[in-house]
Amino acid sequence: DTGVSQNPRHKITKRGQNVTFRCDPISEHNRLYWYRQTLGQGPEFLTYFQNEAQLEKSRLLSDRFSAERPKGSFSTLEIQRTEQGDSAMYLCASSEGVTQYFGPGTRLTVL
Amino acid sequence: AQSVTQLGSHVSVSEGALVLLRCNYSSSVPPYLFWYVQYPNQGLQLLLKYTTGATLVKGINGFEAEFKKSETSFHLTKPSAHMSDAAEYFCAVSEGQDYGQNFVFGPGTRLSVLP
Repeated sequence: DTGVSQNPRHKITKRGQNVTFRCDPISEHNRLYWYRQTLGQGPEFLTYFQNEAQLEKSRLLSDRFSAERPKGSFSTLEIQRTEQGDSAMYLCASSEGVTQYFGPGTRLTVL
Repeated sequence: AQSVTQLGSHVSVSEGALVLLRCNYSSSVPPYLFWYVQYPNQGLQLLLKYTTGATLVKGINGFEAEFKKSETSFHLTKPSAHMSDAAEYFCAVSEGQDYGQNFVFGPGTRLSVLP
């Protein structure tokens, strides 16, 4: 059983650099979600896709954040000009029905 | 808009004791409710969910939760805590009737299990 995978698991970058994270959902799932989780908090919704269509992106934290799912399979989340406040765990989830299944997350540290 | 509150950011119980983690929600539509568990530096694992039907739902690892509409609650319980239950627990509500909607999560409750 292949679950949701995310790469890299950890990313350390310097302030001002761009970073890109990848999420591979469960293969038959048509919906894909991105969340951000800061220390001691629950996940916060960022954006979601149904197949390749991005149906909600108003919750992206700023215009430095963007996401794509070009062929309706894997997705990427990019943060441009990173800031120290972007340090967090970035979680991806996928679903076919009601339940969302989460990946292990990518932990971003901005120095 | 939907919201979730979890009373108690940290709960400690002795091994073998009852576990009770509280979750209250607000929703303008009939909710879908979920409990997830998160171990350090890992993603979220589904424990159980309520969508429709029976209000008492059973999940993995001996956990169960009861949906009480009148109290807008979905508290998580386990009769006997095990050391391996020590983790962070999150309650979530689906934001909207469309099952494709995103989740709104509570702030989490850290469960410690004392020997």
